[in-house]
Amino acid sequence: DADVTQTPRNRITKTGKRIMLECSQTKGHDRMYWYRQDPGLGLRLIYYSFDVKDINKGEISDGYSVSRQAQAKFSLSLESAIPNQTALYFCATRDRVLDTQYFGPGTRLTVL
Amino acid sequence: DAKTTQPPSMDCAEGRAANLPCNHSTISGNEYVYWYRQIHSQGPQYIIHGLKNNETNEMASLIITEDRKSSTLILPHATLRDTAVYYCIVRLWDSNYQLIWGAGTKLIIKP
Repeated sequence: DADVTQTPRNRITKTGKRIMLECSQTKGHDRMYWYRQDPGLGLRLIYYSFDVKDINKGEISDGYSVSRQAQAKFSLSLESAIPNQTALYFCATRDRVLDTQYFGPGTRLTVL
Repeated sequence: DAKTTQPPSMDCAEGRAANLPCNHSTISGNEYVYWYRQIHSQGPQYIIHGLKNNETNEMASLIITEDRKSSTLILPHATLRDTAVYYCIVRLWDSNYQLIWGAGTKLIIKP
């Protein structure tokens, strides 16, 4: 089984709708991240969390919110989706000892 | 902006060594060089990282120049499954871990 899972894997929605993307991990890492990727570009950080009570904005947090329900779960919400939020979204965890990040398979979101 | 410069694309023959260059001329003394790769829109995969010494693991070798202004990722015997976008990233070893991703190098392994 995958260590970092994301649901849904694909989602098509309409402008103005509220969307939640979910991420779960079994690696036991306390640090989790949400990134977005636009075609042909690298990843950009949206939010990150060092533990359940510690949430931080990343480079492009406007229009997004997050919830860290438990150490293993980190959700990303789009309160009112707009077309330029169409992108590939990745969740990741971080191993502090090895200083490496582990990524989920991604969610492809299309906002019409 | 990304702090690294990589060629947008490269080809390599299957079975040969793939050498991927990265320039990071503004790197500071306590910044590490990391390499990740992304296979066809999958989640990125960690490859290797280093500070100033050359590093090797089961996936690749990382050669960092003495002045630390550039580095080369070496895949010793490239296979078709190594076709991916390879990202070179420099980052401070700190608790924030904000990776700044550039556009990477699209490596195509040809039969």
